[in-house]
Amino acid sequence: NAGVTQTPKFRVLKTGQSMTLLCAQDMNHEYMYWYRQDPGMGLRLIHYSVGEGTTAKGEVPDGYNVSRLKKQNFLLGLESAAPSQTSVYFCASSSGSIGYTFGSGTRLTVV
Amino acid sequence: DQQVKQNSPSLSVQEGRISILNCDYTNSMFDYFLWYKKYPAEGPTFLISISSIKDKNEDGRFTVFLNKSAKHLSLHIVPSQPGDSAVYFCAARGAAGNKLTFGGGNRVLVIP
Repeated sequence: NAGVTQTPKFRVLKTGQSMTLLCAQDMNHEYMYWYRQDPGMGLRLIHYSVGEGTTAKGEVPDGYNVSRLKKQNFLLGLESAAPSQTSVYFCASSSGSIGYTFGSGTRLTVV
Repeated sequence: DQQVKQNSPSLSVQEGRISILNCDYTNSMFDYFLWYKKYPAEGPTFLISISSIKDKNEDGRFTVFLNKSAKHLSLHIVPSQPGDSAVYFCAARGAAGNKLTFGGGNRVLVIP
């Protein structure tokens, strides 16, 4: 039982490049979330989804896009990466009850 | 404008003693409060939660206290063990979308 799987685990991008982070969950959860973690700032919500085909903006959505075409997958896209997007990205899922299950994170560096 | 704040970013405690982590919030509409534990290179894992209608919840060595009038909660770990060395995040749940708002985290080091 894998839980929440994030790929890739590490990535280095050049400024202006694009990439997609993939999150997959096998728990049949309705809710999925993308957070970024920066030193001293905790985890900040980028985008989230309350079900297949739905997405909504979180606290820091600028520069990111998301899609939830299948219930088990939640994709986070960076169209034109900037150094300010250097961070650790965490995906999480939830059934709607208390608590999330998090993936192990993607460390992204934009140079 | 941080709705959930954790001061004292780091804490060192002797093995066997009590660790106390504090968290303050500003939004009175939060209905649940949670603590997560995070080891390096891993995702956060759920530790304990408390409903806004309770003032205490206990699970083994972990107890969370909620003071709604002060908009303050704390996590007590007793006795502290070396395996408790990690970063602890306080989180609060808002109404719509089952969204969690996180604090900045507290790094705990338990010294054997």
